[in-house]
Amino acid sequence: SYVLTQPPSVSVAPGKTARITCGGNNIGRNSVHWYRQKPGQAPVLVIYYDSDRPSGIPERFSGSNSGDTATLSISRVEAGDEADYYCQVWDPSSDHRIFGGGTKLTVL
Amino acid sequence: QVQLVESGGGVVQSGRSLRLSCAASGFNFRNYAMHWVRQAPGKGLEWAAVVSYDGDNNHYADSVKGRFTISRDNSKNTMYLQMDSLRPEDTAVYYCARDEAGLDYWGQGTLVVVSS
Repeated sequence: SYVLTQPPSVSVAPGKTARITCGGNNIGRNSVHWYRQKPGQAPVLVIYYDSDRPSGIPERFSGSNSGDTATLSISRVEAGDEADYYCQVWDPSSDHRIFGGGTKLTVL
Repeated sequence: QVQLVESGGGVVQSGRSLRLSCAASGFNFRNYAMHWVRQAPGKGLEWAAVVSYDGDNNHYADSVKGRFTISRDNSKNTMYLQMDSLRPEDTAVYYCARDEAGLDYWGQGTLVVVSS
C-alpha cells in the first residue's frame, strides 16, 4: 500500500519559515492535503489540492508538490503555529485515504 | 455553519460491539461522502472508512475491514460506524469528517476504549 513519510519533528525560530515535507513514490502525481492538529483538538484542513488554502487560513501557509516530495511551508512562524501537521492523499486504486505519520512543529 | 457531532463512544470489552453516530448539520448532507478517521492515544491519524454520498459505495482500511461497517441515513443527516469484534488496538478517538477537496470539516471526536 502507498506510504507517506514525514519527519517526526521540525523546529523553527519565530519569524522564520518552517518547511514540512511529505515523501511518497511519485507523490507529485497525487493531490496532497495538509492538516494542522493542536493538542486536544480535531484536525483542521490548512492546504488542499497541493497549494490551495481554505477560507480563514492565513496566506503564510502554502504548499507545493513535485516528484517524490510535497512540502508545507509556513512563513513568519508564530508561537500559535505549534502543532502536529499531517499530509494526506487519496489512493484511487483502493479509494483509501492515506495519512502521513505526522510532524510535530516546535517554535523555539 | 457546518457542524459534525460524534456520539456513542465509551468503554467496551474486547470482542464486543459498539455503534458510533455522527450527526451533521449546516450543509446538504446527502451531497457529500463522509469518513471516519481515528487516532490512538499519542499516535497519528489513521483513516478508517468512507461512505459515498448515497451510501452505495463503502471502503475500509485493512485494519478494520470485515469488522466495521459504515453506513448513513440521509433522512436523518446521520452517519454511523458499527464496530464489531473490537480489539484493544481499536482504542482511539474516532472523528467523522466531510469529504470536500480534502476532509474540510471534522467533528470533535468520540473516545472508544477497548479493554482486554
